[in-house]
Amino acid sequence: AQKVTQAQTEISVVEKEDVTLDCVYETRDTTYYLFWYKQPPSGELVFLIRRNSFDEQNEISGRYSWNFQKSTSSFNFTITASQVVDSAVYFCALSGSGDDKIIFGKGTRLHILP
Amino acid sequence: EAGVAQSPRYKIIEKRQSVAFWCNPISGHATLYWYQQILGQGPKLLIQFQNNGVVDDSQLPKDRFSAERLKGVDSTLKIQPAKLEDSAVYLCASTPVRGHRENNNEQFFGPGTRLTVL
Repeated sequence: AQKVTQAQTEISVVEKEDVTLDCVYETRDTTYYLFWYKQPPSGELVFLIRRNSFDEQNEISGRYSWNFQKSTSSFNFTITASQVVDSAVYFCALSGSGDDKIIFGKGTRLHILP
Repeated sequence: EAGVAQSPRYKIIEKRQSVAFWCNPISGHATLYWYQQILGQGPKLLIQFQNNGVVDDSQLPKDRFSAERLKGVDSTLKIQPAKLEDSAVYLCASTPVRGHRENNNEQFFGPGTRLTVL
């Protein structure tokens, strides 16, 4: 069975602090994809990143960075120098081989305080 | 480029009533998805269309939910009759070609329809 666990339900940090959102996944597939999505108060999901299971390189995009570690089945997301506009719910998600179904975690609600 | 459009944005009904949601994907997008997002949870896929054919409806409660995409463009999702546990946000998403595995497709999501069943 596939599963995504985001243990942090809610996090609050002061603006300009760094924050890491944790994601742990379970799958028996050897080929799979991992995602992060952002859901601002407006409701639509915004795609942030997709990573396949064969690419363990960490990725940096501006203030965002992702750490993929197969050994611990984790795909953590770090926001550096957080800003109020980063306040949102962030979802980690997993898609296994064979179909396009994406399994989402329960999300982490991030509050960036001014 | 216009995004995924959904209507209505909000709907309040009583249990046992019927309700329908509409989605218009991004122009030219072949694959369309409907998700259900219950408060405090991540979205759950209900049904996936490739053009006007169903690819995956394994998690659609078919006794009360139905969906169609007759012309391979816009889609409707219907609930009949609604139950209290159907209260959720219903999200529509689309991708240019089949699924996310080809050509680094990402799913583009609409703003959702928030359904409250009283």
